[in-house]
Amino acid sequence: DTAVSQTPKYLVTQMGNDKSIKCEQNLGHDTMYWYKQDSKKFLKIMFSYNNKELIINETVPNRFSPKSPDKAHLNLHINSLELGDSAVYFCASSQEIGISIQYFGAGTRLSVL
Amino acid sequence: AQSVSQHNHHVILSEAASLELGCNYSYGGTVNLFWYVQYPGQHLQLLLKYFSGDPLVKGIKGFEAEFIKSKFSFNLRKPSVQWSDTAEYFCAVRPGSSNTGKLIFGQGTTLQVKP
Repeated sequence: DTAVSQTPKYLVTQMGNDKSIKCEQNLGHDTMYWYKQDSKKFLKIMFSYNNKELIINETVPNRFSPKSPDKAHLNLHINSLELGDSAVYFCASSQEIGISIQYFGAGTRLSVL
Repeated sequence: AQSVSQHNHHVILSEAASLELGCNYSYGGTVNLFWYVQYPGQHLQLLLKYFSGDPLVKGIKGFEAEFIKSKFSFNLRKPSVQWSDTAEYFCAVRPGSSNTGKLIFGQGTTLQVKP
């Protein structure tokens, strides 16, 4: 069983659309994260949630809204998609915030045309 | 600003060659250090980590890394690579003062091992 799973794996869409990426972890972890990998391959933190509570919001446009319905899920909703949103988005989870190892999903490649 | 540099962006080796991938970070305090690997089509997985203690850490699949505090470095090594080591390798740092768990990543190194 995949520990951290993201869907979809690939997402191609037009500018201006709204889309969601889902993330689920079956590790029983308390903390979940979203990272964005830019065109230069740097992964940069976007959000983290601990026990469904927002901990980090790293100067991300408010078109991006994370939603955590429960500890096992952290979905990323993006409104009014722009060309610059094209990237690979990685979800991760850790046992607790601050000190634990983060476990990553396989990434979602978003292409905005 | 805190940053992580991986000097080699693309490395091509033949099987059985030795590997060393450089990683330097800019942060003066206590750090936790990580190397992650992403095999084609798979998730990022942890190769090894350093939190404290012996600066030479061993990870999975024969990889090791050495933390040299004076050089702000955490280079990854493997004495003899295999074709199956072809992957993307990411170095990451977590400042010890961080209570958010935020990881700061380098831009990755693509390793291609020729059979």
